[in-house]
Amino acid sequence: GAVVSQHPSWVICKSGTSVKIECRSLDFQATTMFWYRQFPKQSLMLMATSNEGSKATYEQGVEKDKFLINHASLTLSTLTVTSAHPEDSSFYICSARDRWRGTMETQYFGPGTRLLVL
Amino acid sequence: GQNIDQPTEMTATEGAIVQINCTYQTSGFNGLFWYQQHAGEAPTFLSYNVLDGLEEKGRFSSFLSRSKGYSYLLLKELQMKDSASYLCALMDSNYQLIWGAGTKLIIKP
Repeated sequence: GAVVSQHPSWVICKSGTSVKIECRSLDFQATTMFWYRQFPKQSLMLMATSNEGSKATYEQGVEKDKFLINHASLTLSTLTVTSAHPEDSSFYICSARDRWRGTMETQYFGPGTRLLVL
Repeated sequence: GQNIDQPTEMTATEGAIVQINCTYQTSGFNGLFWYQQHAGEAPTFLSYNVLDGLEEKGRFSSFLSRSKGYSYLLLKELQMKDSASYLCALMDSNYQLIWGAGTKLIIKP
């Protein structure tokens, strides 16, 4: 159990285009999902916390108008990178917290989406 | 604020034992996690400690001392597939994960 999927796993796009990444919890309900970004040889950086049915909470320095997050259901959150530029090229990873496990601790990670902006 | 320190890189021999240390400073604490991350992949959960002491899970064990702000991950009977980055992560008072930079573990035959 506790499987999180991401789609797409790889995306290459031209500068200026928008890219949407989906994060789904396949066998559990996730009230909260997290979006991370990881540059090569660096640790994960939390971008935003996504709560079902409400606005996402963005970390300092993350532009909410550039990285649009929608958490419309208990199993799906989306991250849209608008007007992507080469510096947005990174590994984007989502994680989800299981609503019903009765604990706040464990986050389950998706496999990640590698974005390359040309 | 929070601060997490772990070694950047470690090297060990196949079949041996290695201990990866993590020290932290935080005002709010809801547990400490260890994750394994292979290159190009997302992290996978290894262990969670919220109370002092040792948690053993197969070849992997994790230890926590809250008073010292210290944790370690112990890997026994090392296998080549254990070559990966090991991330120490602190869960703060808001139940958000604060990540260490990770320790790259290189296993040599």
